[in-house]
Amino acid sequence: QSALTQPPSASGSPGQSVTISCTGTSSDVGVYDYVSWYQHHPGKAPKLMIYEVTKRPSGVPDRFSGSKSGNTASLTVSGLQAEDEADYYCSSYAGSNNFVVFGGGTKLTVL
Amino acid sequence: EVQLVESGGGLVQPGGSLRLSCAASGFTFSSYSMNWVRQAPGKGLEWVSYISSSSSTIYYADSVKGRFTISRDNAKNSLYLQMNSLRDEDTAVYYCGKFLAYGMDVWGQGTTVTVSS
Repeated sequence: QSALTQPPSASGSPGQSVTISCTGTSSDVGVYDYVSWYQHHPGKAPKLMIYEVTKRPSGVPDRFSGSKSGNTASLTVSGLQAEDEADYYCSSYAGSNNFVVFGGGTKLTVL
Repeated sequence: EVQLVESGGGLVQPGGSLRLSCAASGFTFSSYSMNWVRQAPGKGLEWVSYISSSSSTIYYADSVKGRFTISRDNAKNSLYLQMNSLRDEDTAVYYCGKFLAYGMDVWGQGTTVTVSS
């Protein structure tokens, strides 16, 4: 069982927006602004899409955005495109004991 | 081009050992902390271990503590993971990653470790 909770699946049609949630606790997501989101196409290396809750690395389209409220972080993908279909994982710093915890992943399907 | 390339994976019997390597290029390896993360078949990502740029700070996931050892050689731009007392549940694709704000901004393609008799 993963430390962070994500819905197993999400879907949307091309051009629509979809939001994926990532629920942690007051020991990780709720207390640290170190939430990251990764896009993972099976067989490839995961790709960092969001770090520090809201920041986008260079080269990541601004269609991808992150936010946080309380113990729940969210990734929103706007203007869905076929190539956005992938698995998405969140992670959070959890202090020096657990260090980094991941969510179980969400499979995003573009209908 | 910033790149990480893992190697050293393979088939090993339960209780056996394996040493993974991660070769870095395209960035100043000695300036960055590094991580190992794994993904078991059909499962999600799991953080395994962290090492600071100077090797002064090291962390392990509880699931590997006492069995795995992370290390690095900044002169060789290389990261290592020594895995001992391997168990079936250690079967996974192992990724090395460059640390950024408690995440990883550069990932390797992964190396597969299979623990089976």
